[in-house]
Amino acid sequence: AQSVTQPDIHITVSEGASLELRCNYSYGATPYLFWYVQSPGQGLQLLLKYFSGDTLVQGIKGFEAEFKRSQSSFNLRKPSVHWSDAAEYFCAARMDSSYKLIFGSGTRLLVRP
Amino acid sequence: DAMVIQNPRYQVTQFGKPVTLSCSQTLNHNVMYWYQQKSSQAPKLLFHYYDKDFNNEADTPDNFQSRRPNTSFCFLDIRSPGLGDAAMYLCATHRADNEKLFFGSGTQLSVL
Repeated sequence: AQSVTQPDIHITVSEGASLELRCNYSYGATPYLFWYVQSPGQGLQLLLKYFSGDTLVQGIKGFEAEFKRSQSSFNLRKPSVHWSDAAEYFCAARMDSSYKLIFGSGTRLLVRP
Repeated sequence: DAMVIQNPRYQVTQFGKPVTLSCSQTLNHNVMYWYQQKSSQAPKLLFHYYDKDFNNEADTPDNFQSRRPNTSFCFLDIRSPGLGDAAMYLCATHRADNEKLFFGSGTQLSVL
């Protein structure tokens, strides 16, 4: 079955430290991949997406993600975290033949001052 | 300016009392989705429209219905809400030829 896995439920980092959020997918072929951010009580905002081509994609707010086919992973990174980055982060995927977007269970990011 | 608008922001209903949530968009997008998101969980797709074509997820309860009278509006009807239906309901849209999904701020539904 198609699935998206985010193994870390919570991550806490200090402000200014680097960040990596993990995402793995299970699909028969390479899906389209996305990272979304959700602040409390809000809808989701797209950070970045990967369809094909360059495996390192740049997004908004200084985020980037790297697609690794051999590991079925699409990890999100940021070199220096700001307090305003504290939020819930969702990895998502869908096949190009479907409009169904499947979300991972999310990773809650906490930022220490 | 908000482009996907969900009303109301908070909705309280009674157990078994029908409730309707609304979503409107100013983007003229042909694809619209309804997601259910329970506390600390991932959004779960309930159904989506491609124009007027309705697509129901296999595990969406019959208690949930949807209407899309025109491109701009989409409604989620919960015929007999149970306590387990308390959740955030998210509407999202995108153009069929563009992957960027626009989400509304959601409606937080409470069932008493």
